[in-house]
Amino acid sequence: AQSVTQLDSHVSVSEGTPVLLRCNYSSSYSPSLFWYVQHPNKGLQLLLKYTSAATLVKGINGFEAEFKKSETSFHLTKPSAHMSDAAEYFCVVSTIDPNDMRFGAGTRLTVKP
Amino acid sequence: DTEVTQTPKHLVMGMTNKKSLKCEQHMGHRAMYWYKQKAKKPPELMFVYSYEKLSINESVPSRFSPECPNSSLLNLHLHALQPEDSALYLCASSPIRRGIYGDTQYFGPGTRLTVL
Repeated sequence: AQSVTQLDSHVSVSEGTPVLLRCNYSSSYSPSLFWYVQHPNKGLQLLLKYTSAATLVKGINGFEAEFKKSETSFHLTKPSAHMSDAAEYFCVVSTIDPNDMRFGAGTRLTVKP
Repeated sequence: DTEVTQTPKHLVMGMTNKKSLKCEQHMGHRAMYWYKQKAKKPPELMFVYSYEKLSINESVPSRFSPECPNSSLLNLHLHALQPEDSALYLCASSPIRRGIYGDTQYFGPGTRLTVL
């Protein structure tokens, strides 16, 4: 079985400062890992995904994430936060069953002016 | 085009009403999903269709009835809902490719359902 833990329910940063959203996973198999973003009253948008290629994954809007097998982590980062980054972020793990995606509880990112 | 569309955007219904939610994708994906999302929570999987056949039903009450009439369309029929069923209902689709697991799911914008 697989699971994912998002270590912070809420992260607050100032505009222009770095963003770090933390995610740890548990999986019996080599996982696929995803970060999705959800703005208020919207659907989920894929930011990036890891599928056993390069361990540093670049996504949209300047976000990137690094897969660290030894630490079972897949943290999301961005060098400089923008006001439009304020949203809910979900880390997701998927493994041998392509229909079985496990969502983390989510991290709400607040960006202060 | 990685777009999944859902209609309606908003729906208000009484507990005795019958209504349907619609989801459509034209990406050639052969897996389609319904999720329920309560406020400040992650999406919860309800149903999965693979090649237009129901493959997963996550113990959802029978007042929710899914239907996949063809490879592009997914419906969710609603009947005799309860106020606690009020939520954002999300549809998603993904390709099914032999030997590839954990493929990306593409989500629609959701239908905000309110049950009075």
